[in-house]
Amino acid sequence: GENVEQHPSTLSVQEGDSAVIKCTYSDSASNYFPWYKQELGKRPQLIIDIRSNVGEKKDQRIAVTLNKTAKHFSLHITETQPEDSAVYFCAASESGGSYIPTFGRGTSLIVHP
Amino acid sequence: DSGVTQTPKHLITATGQRVTLRCSPRSGDLSVYWYQQSLDQGLQFLIQYYNGEERAKGNILERFSAQQFPDLHSELNLSSLELGDSALYFCASSLLAEQETQYFGPGTRLLVL
Repeated sequence: GENVEQHPSTLSVQEGDSAVIKCTYSDSASNYFPWYKQELGKRPQLIIDIRSNVGEKKDQRIAVTLNKTAKHFSLHITETQPEDSAVYFCAASESGGSYIPTFGRGTSLIVHP
Repeated sequence: DSGVTQTPKHLITATGQRVTLRCSPRSGDLSVYWYQQSLDQGLQFLIQYYNGEERAKGNILERFSAQQFPDLHSELNLSSLELGDSALYFCASSLLAEQETQYFGPGTRLLVL
């Protein structure tokens, strides 16, 4: 089955800095990679996703890059703000058939004002 | 608000007991997923239903079972509860079985004493 590794487990930055979270996956058949943000005690919320036919996707201060050859993808947050503080999860899955994502263990991002 | 509802929000019970968690998917979504989130195991997929039928099974214990009803709401039954079953249980829904984007409910926090 799929295995997703996520690093770092904790990331502490100053407000205004950039933050990068990296994930690697094992199954070359995986072709859909969502990122979820989970605030303390709240539900995971999809913030951005990327499919394997795209190398990069951007949405305001958030971007995701994908390297299919190396089987890794990354989340980039620029100009971080205290409200970006949360746990971020990456996931990988094979689109088509039954879509079941395998999640990384999460990264706790702390943005200091 | 994702449109997915879960009840109850909190549940405290004793070892050996049985509980039922309920989930109502977003209007129009046919697929329901159940996840368990604990501190040491991260977000683990349990089971998926699509239009009333079981579609995929993950790391679901034999003591756990689920079903999806004709009105598409789903219930997760946990029996012979153990201390280690204490966790957050999330339900998510998507339009189709193969639809990648999943919308998570607010979760049920289960504490087994």
